[in-house]
Amino acid sequence: DSGVTQTPKHLITATGQRVTLRCSPRSGDLSVYWYQQSLDQGLQFLIQYYNGEERAKGNILERFSAQQFPDLHSELNLSSLELGDSALYFCASSVSQASTDTQYFGPGTRLTVL
Amino acid sequence: DQQVKQNSPSLSVQEGRISILNCDYTNSMFDYFLWYKKYPAEGPTFLISISSIKDKNEDGRFTVFLNKSAKHLSLHIVPSQPGDSAVYFCAASPSFHMYSGGGADGLTFGKGTHLIIQP
Repeated sequence: DSGVTQTPKHLITATGQRVTLRCSPRSGDLSVYWYQQSLDQGLQFLIQYYNGEERAKGNILERFSAQQFPDLHSELNLSSLELGDSALYFCASSVSQASTDTQYFGPGTRLTVL
Repeated sequence: DQQVKQNSPSLSVQEGRISILNCDYTNSMFDYFLWYKKYPAEGPTFLISISSIKDKNEDGRFTVFLNKSAKHLSLHIVPSQPGDSAVYFCAASPSFHMYSGGGADGLTFGKGTHLIIQP
């Protein structure tokens, strides 16, 4: 158990819909990262937040957005969903914003878009 | 364009022998490297890391070797055990990120190697 929790574990929805994925970091961790794992692309970095502020962006679509709240939990919002958005979404957390800090991953949310 | 490549999708090794997993990278800005292990239905778990100022780092049965000139790293597991059967991901990061003047970046992952330890 990494100490990072993600809800829900599974989500099935239809094209065009909007969903919210939630992540609670390990106690004391200030950074939260979101990753997408699809069959053909592997694990891809989406976005990072540190202490409530956006710190880095990766391959995140404009239809996707995220935020980190004062209690440090984070939400990833996916809108106008397409079939290709079906994937595993992982959240990770680390103590600070240094890239040499170990990132601890949650169990993931499996999103299926029908 | 894949910046971190794991060219072997799977590897089968006999229990007790050495497992060697390989990883190549193309981005010269990467100077911090990690290996993660992943079981089905779980998130990746950190195994071991190495900074570019070193060429070797050991932790118990796990050793990571870094060859900067070849832009190649490898993970050695000795001896291999049945519980080592999992997917192993190589990941890389620059230790300095230009986005916000020193903040961190996400990790760039390879596509993984499925290691199977045979009894």
